Amino acid sequence: DAGVTQSPTHLIKTRGQQVTLRCSPKSGHDTVSWYQQALGQGPQFIFQYYEEEERQRGNFPDRFSGHQFPNYSSELNVNALLLGDSALYLCASSWGGRAEKLFFGSGTQLSVL
Amino acid sequence: GENVEQHPSTLSVQEGDSAVIKCTYSDSASNYFPWYKQELGKRPQLIIDIRSNVGEKKDQRIAVTLNKTAKHFSLHITETQPEDSAVYFCAANSGGSNYKLTFGKGTLLTVNP
Repeated sequence: DAGVTQSPTHLIKTRGQQVTLRCSPKSGHDTVSWYQQALGQGPQFIFQYYEEEERQRGNFPDRFSGHQFPNYSSELNVNALLLGDSALYLCASSWGGRAEKLFFGSGTQLSVL
Repeated sequence: GENVEQHPSTLSVQEGDSAVIKCTYSDSASNYFPWYKQELGKRPQLIIDIRSNVGEKKDQRIAVTLNKTAKHFSLHITETQPEDSAVYFCAANSGGSNYKLTFGKGTLLTVNP
């Protein structure tokens, strides 16, 4: 069981650019949540995808968008990058649309210069 | 929305001692409270969770207690070992919908040999 797979592991972008992060959930899971973790902070909820729909969004602007595919994998897109978007982006998978027993990936470290 | 406060932010103990980390939450409808351990540069890993219909749960050296009236829950680690050194995060779901977790800011636990 490969667990949650995220790609890429590291990414460097400049302000104003766009980025796409990818996530494959743990086998048997059908729900993907995205979290942003700033240095020294707890993960902060961005949004959750279940049945290919965004079910809830945290306090993040529309520059953050996502998608879930029929195979349950997911993408996180961030447009018009700001310096403050630099963080570790974590994908977490679970089952049945519930935020319980989340299984996290190792994350994508995004640096915006 | 839900707010989770976590204390202390850092905790240093001697090997073999006990460690206690405390969290409070604001949403009285929250009903699921997990704890995650994150070692440096690694993904958060679920170590124990508790639901609101249970007051205490144990798993070997780890236990969690929940006081719904006071809206606080605690992680207890007994007989600490150096490999317990990590950042620990508490979290709570949003009672109105079970789509997201709100995390505390974390506790850096250092176990000195």
